[in-house]
Amino acid sequence: DAKTTQPNSMESNEEEPVHLPCNHSTISGTDYIHWYRQLPSQGPEYVIHGLTSNVNNRMASLAIAEDRKSSTLILHRATLRDAAVYYCILRDVGNQGGKLIFGQGTELSVKP
Amino acid sequence: EPEVTQTPSHQVTQMGQEVILRCVPISNHLYFYWYRQILGQKVEFLVSFYNNEISEKSEIFDDQFSVERPDGSNFTLKIRSTKLEDSAMYFCASKPWTGFNQPQHFGDGTRLSIL
Repeated sequence: DAKTTQPNSMESNEEEPVHLPCNHSTISGTDYIHWYRQLPSQGPEYVIHGLTSNVNNRMASLAIAEDRKSSTLILHRATLRDAAVYYCILRDVGNQGGKLIFGQGTELSVKP
Repeated sequence: EPEVTQTPSHQVTQMGQEVILRCVPISNHLYFYWYRQILGQKVEFLVSFYNNEISEKSEIFDDQFSVERPDGSNFTLKIRSTKLEDSAMYFCASKPWTGFNQPQHFGDGTRLSIL
C-alpha cells in the first residue's frame, strides 16, 4: 500500500470546521483513500472512504484533489468528542485480505 | 449497533507465560484481524483470518503467535511464551465480506502487560 503524509497535530475550536490534509503523491489508480480515527483509549473507527469523487456521510466529508495526490477530511462542526488521531490510509483494490497499514496520523485537539 | 467485544480489558502476565486474548467479532462478519499498538507507537497489523485459515500475517506474527476460531463466535490470539516486548494494546477487528472497501470494525482492545 502506498505511503501517506499527514501533519503530526492540529488544533481546532469547538463548533468550527476542521480540514485535515493528507498527501499521497505516489497513489496508484487502484488505490482507495480511507480515513479512520482513534479516540482516546479506544480502537480505530472507520470514518469515510473514496476513490475520485468527493464523498459525504454522517460523520464527515472527503475532498479528493483532481490529480488524487492529496485529500482532505472535513469535519463540518468539530465537537469535543472529535478529539482523536485521524489516519489517512490507502487501500489497493487488489488487497482483498484487507489489512490496514496505519501511519502516525494527525492528532486533533478541540478547544472549547 | 453491533460491536466487536474483547476480553479481558487488561491482562497482566509473567514473562514466559502463555496468554490468550479473546474477541467476539460481529456475528455476520467473515474476515477477522488482530493488530497491536505499543504505547506511543503506530497501530501495527499482525494477522488476518478468513475461511478458518490465516490469509496474511506480518513479520511480527512469528511462531510464538497463533490464532483460532474455536467456535462460531470467538476469535482468539495466543502468545505461547510472552516477552517483555509483547506489552501492548491488542485490537481485534472484523469485516463483513471480502469487498475490500468494507470498513473494519475494531474492538476497544486488551491491554497486555508483561512483567
